[in-house]
Amino acid sequence: NAGVTQTPKFQVLKTGQSMTLQCAQDMNHEYMSWYRQDPGMGLRLIHYSVGAGITDQGEVPNGYNVSRSTTEDFPLRLLSAAPSQTSVYFCATLRGRNNEQFFGPGTRLTVL
Amino acid sequence: GENVEQHPSTLSVQEGDSAVIKCTYSDSASNYFPWYKQELGKGPQLIIDIRSNVGEKKDQRIAVTLNKTAKHFSLHITETQPEDSAVYFCAASKNDYKLSFGAGTTVTVRA
Repeated sequence: NAGVTQTPKFQVLKTGQSMTLQCAQDMNHEYMSWYRQDPGMGLRLIHYSVGAGITDQGEVPNGYNVSRSTTEDFPLRLLSAAPSQTSVYFCATLRGRNNEQFFGPGTRLTVL
Repeated sequence: GENVEQHPSTLSVQEGDSAVIKCTYSDSASNYFPWYKQELGKGPQLIIDIRSNVGEKKDQRIAVTLNKTAKHFSLHITETQPEDSAVYFCAASKNDYKLSFGAGTTVTVRA
């Protein structure tokens, strides 16, 4: 039982490049989400999914796309990276109501 | 949307002393208030949470209090130990999964 895994751990991009941050979970949790963490700002919700085939926007969705074709995977896509997207990205899962959210180890992204 | 403010941003305490972190929230509909601990290079980990139908909850050296009228909640750590040094985040939510986080408190426990 690996819990929540994220790849890659570190990534450097140039402005305008695209990439996908991967998130996978083996706990059969319905809910998955993506947060970004910036210094002095806590964590902010980017996108979330309450189940396979269902996604919705969070607080800061601009510049990011998501899809949820399976229960296990919830990739985050940056279509055209910008320096403002330099951040640490965390994926989280939740089994259902009255349960805690489990966070992955994070991906540190730098956009030059 | 929900706005969560957290104070202080940094906190240094002597080992064995208590640490208190306070948060306020803006949306009176919020009913779930978790606290997360984040160690360097790791993701946040839930340490305690409280729901709006409870005023206080305790788990060993950690306790959380909630004042719904004033819309604030606090984390209390007693008998602090070096391993309590970390960044702590409060959060608020109306539905368990869309969390709004505070900016975090860096706690340093001095030996």
